[in-house]
Amino acid sequence: DGGITQSPKYLFRKEGQNVTLSCEQNLNHDAMYWYRQDPGQGLRLIYYSQIVNDFQKGDIAEGYSVSREKKESFPLTVTSAQKNPTAFYLCASNMNEKLFFGSGTQLSVL
Amino acid sequence: DAKTTQPPSMDCAEGRAANLPCNHSTISGNEYVYWYRQIHSQGPQYIIHGLKNNETNEMASLIITEDRKSSTLILPHATLRDTAVYYCIVRARRSNTGKLIFGQGTTLQVKP
Repeated sequence: DGGITQSPKYLFRKEGQNVTLSCEQNLNHDAMYWYRQDPGQGLRLIYYSQIVNDFQKGDIAEGYSVSREKKESFPLTVTSAQKNPTAFYLCASNMNEKLFFGSGTQLSVL
Repeated sequence: DAKTTQPPSMDCAEGRAANLPCNHSTISGNEYVYWYRQIHSQGPQYIIHGLKNNETNEMASLIITEDRKSSTLILPHATLRDTAVYYCIVRARRSNTGKLIFGQGTTLQVKP
């Protein structure tokens, strides 16, 4: 099936630990995005990438890092500098001005 | 991108039409109106978009007022599976970012 695959679905982070969220797509889309969603809130843009080997900061990039070495993959690392990482993280790709989202990763702090 | 205003919640009886309003009074001429919905704990799903003409697809209809300051998403025959948060977004086509301002949306509860 074509789509956006995020893994894991649930992730727990210990204090001071970096964790990486996976996002893979087989839609052949150039643009990919990471959003953060807090309970009862809308989505906020963390990072986006319009093309391989290029990415830009969104509104809330502090404490996060990304890479885009392959078209299909756009992993997000939540670093220890992110002091409030508990949230629902969504990855998306863009084709013809429509965003296609993955099923999300719920990150919690132990 | 222009801001939107939506009611926080609405109820609809199963089988009836659900009409979800959205105000976007500061919309500019090159901005489209997009609708997405998010079922609990899933990623948002694209529904429909339009510029100034009414649009219809297999999921819904979009009615945009002549002055483009508001719009209504219509689910013609709501089912229980349509219970979700519905987001109205305005955004210029070919924007260089994915910076969709989702807001808090309207929680639609479809009741049996």
